[in-house]
Amino acid sequence: DVKVTQSSRYLVKRTGEKVFLECVQDMDHENMFWYRQDPGLGLRLIYFSYDVKMKEKGDIPEGYSVSREKKERFSLILESASTNQTSMYLCASSFQGLAYQETQYFGPGTRLLVL
Amino acid sequence: RKEVEQDPGPFNVPEGATVAFNCTYSNSASQSFFWYRQDCRKEPKLLMSVYSSGNEDGRFTAQLNRASQYISLLIRDSKLSDSATYLCVVTGMNTGFQKLVFGTGTRLLVSP
Repeated sequence: DVKVTQSSRYLVKRTGEKVFLECVQDMDHENMFWYRQDPGLGLRLIYFSYDVKMKEKGDIPEGYSVSREKKERFSLILESASTNQTSMYLCASSFQGLAYQETQYFGPGTRLLVL
Repeated sequence: RKEVEQDPGPFNVPEGATVAFNCTYSNSASQSFFWYRQDCRKEPKLLMSVYSSGNEDGRFTAQLNRASQYISLLIRDSKLSDSATYLCVVTGMNTGFQKLVFGTGTRLLVSP
């Protein structure tokens, strides 16, 4: 079974703090993704990576950065957390398919509250 | 206009009922289509891919209509365990990489 794990299920931080969210997958997937999910807005792509040290901006990268130093690990960084970054953060991974998007497997999510 | 639109529901149905959800998408270049299921406070999980010819997996049937740009999910003989949010997902382009675009989901509540 594919397993995607996230470092925390729940996190409470203060405005201005630096926040690290870590994601690890055990299936040797090339692609990894970070989404946030908010009521009424669905899942929105923040950043993705298709290889070690490679990253691409998604739809809402502002206020976030990422790091992929190892194939199995993809970190999301909030340099200076703000209250509008309170959300559910979901990590996902997938194989690098040829023509079509491969299935994405999600981690359990991290609920971040920024006070 | 949203890239993927779904009726948020909730759809309240009794056990044993048949229920159908539709989803429309705006990008005619989308190539892959999926339904994901998300239980309350859990992560999304792939329910089924949607093929051009339509496909069936047990009680679940998915259809794609490219001309009208919509996909559908039919659930027959609903079970209590089918209660969840169903996410319509299509592919879109992002700097040459096919990304997944998620609808906001349709909530299904199956009651005894």
